[in-house]
Amino acid sequence: NAGVTQTPKFRILKIGQSMTLQCTQDMNHNYMYWYRQDPGMGLKLIYYSVGAGITDKGEVPNGYNVSRSTTEDFPLRLELAAPSQTSVYFCASSYDRVDGYTFGSGTRLTVV
Amino acid sequence: AQTVTQSQPEMSVQEAETVTLSCTYDTSENNYYLFWYKQPPSRQMILVIRQEAYKQQNATENRFSVNFQKAAKSFSLKISDSQLGDTAMYFCAFMKLMNRDDKIIFGKGTRLHILP
Repeated sequence: NAGVTQTPKFRILKIGQSMTLQCTQDMNHNYMYWYRQDPGMGLKLIYYSVGAGITDKGEVPNGYNVSRSTTEDFPLRLELAAPSQTSVYFCASSYDRVDGYTFGSGTRLTVV
Repeated sequence: AQTVTQSQPEMSVQEAETVTLSCTYDTSENNYYLFWYKQPPSRQMILVIRQEAYKQQNATENRFSVNFQKAAKSFSLKISDSQLGDTAMYFCAFMKLMNRDDKIIFGKGTRLHILP
């Protein structure tokens, strides 16, 4: 099993550009999450999904969008990138949550 | 609302020593789960240990163990015989499981340095 796979690992965007961060898992997990982690800080939840076709906002959703058309994939879309979106982005998934989350290796995004 | 507090932003210990990281949480729930995650410089988030609140026995995983004090709402992590590879950010986390929208709540982390 590959676990949770995030692509790309690094990306530099110019202000106003858009991009999609990809996240896929092969563990048949129902629950999926997107977090951002600013330098030296903890994790902030952007969006989450409890199953295919269902998404919901976390604590910092502004400037982002998600979709969950399949169980495996949970892409995060950044529209009109801003310097405040410079961060490391983590995708995570879980089957039933009681065993915690499995995290991807993260995407380091810089907006200049 | 549930909160998780890690009162030690940063700690340093010598290799082979034992270190304890503190965590307290606030909840009115009786059944919940607690976790410790490790984030080394590679930035990968790794689950270190988990505890189910209804189990009184403290969880252990090799050199890692917890001291779970339910009444005090305390969940500290003890690392025995610390190694250089234990250098990382450690996050304490809490989750109740009442409905599908319940999520893990993370503390702000403790940065641990193991010194040679």
